[in-house]
Amino acid sequence: DIVMTQTPLSLSVTPGQPASISCKSSQSLLQSDGKTYLYWYLQKPGQPPQVLIYEVSNRLSGVPDRFSGSGSGTDFTLKISRVEAEDVGVYYCMQSTQIPNTFGQGTRLEIK
Amino acid sequence: EVQLVESGGGLVQPGGSLRLSCTASGFTFSSNWMNWVRQAPGKGLEWVAKIKPDGSEKYYVDSVKGRFTISRDNAKNSLYLEMNSLRAEDTALYHCARLSAGYWGQGALVTVSS
Repeated sequence: DIVMTQTPLSLSVTPGQPASISCKSSQSLLQSDGKTYLYWYLQKPGQPPQVLIYEVSNRLSGVPDRFSGSGSGTDFTLKISRVEAEDVGVYYCMQSTQIPNTFGQGTRLEIK
Repeated sequence: EVQLVESGGGLVQPGGSLRLSCTASGFTFSSNWMNWVRQAPGKGLEWVAKIKPDGSEKYYVDSVKGRFTISRDNAKNSLYLEMNSLRAEDTALYHCARLSAGYWGQGALVTVSS
């Protein structure tokens, strides 16, 4: 199974400041079709996860442009250019390149 | 509006069985892979199973193989998870999800306890 490792596991950020979360996979996520199936989710308290980014760097419709994803192969990053109060929650990366799909441990973001 | 609504959760004794259902609306259910993902209380996310649009391929996480069965009825826009030989460690909120589009249901709580 592909192991997804996120760092840090928690973040405390002042509103307006940037934030960055790393996700490393134990194997390359590049599939034979040329796509990399790496997603970023945000789970707000009491809610199911919502997808922010799909296939490494594509923002889902309606996701604010302060969220961006980058990376390739085994190293990926989610960046928030200016954190807002509504961004609190737990962020997960997930790969669906190989079965079983696997998630990172989650990174809890709180506001200072 | 896309909706995924799970039902069938509850309290069951170890070794018991339960069947979860998920009813989908707002998208073409029959054209999409569907998944079950679970989250134990206070823990992270764990993918459980997925099924091809026509039901011909099914995949499971190792911990549930031989105990859980995923199925679908495209005529009813419904996804199912048959869970047998339940263990305490299966206690979780089970979400029905179309992962590629970010559609998730609110979840059905399964508690395995004597």
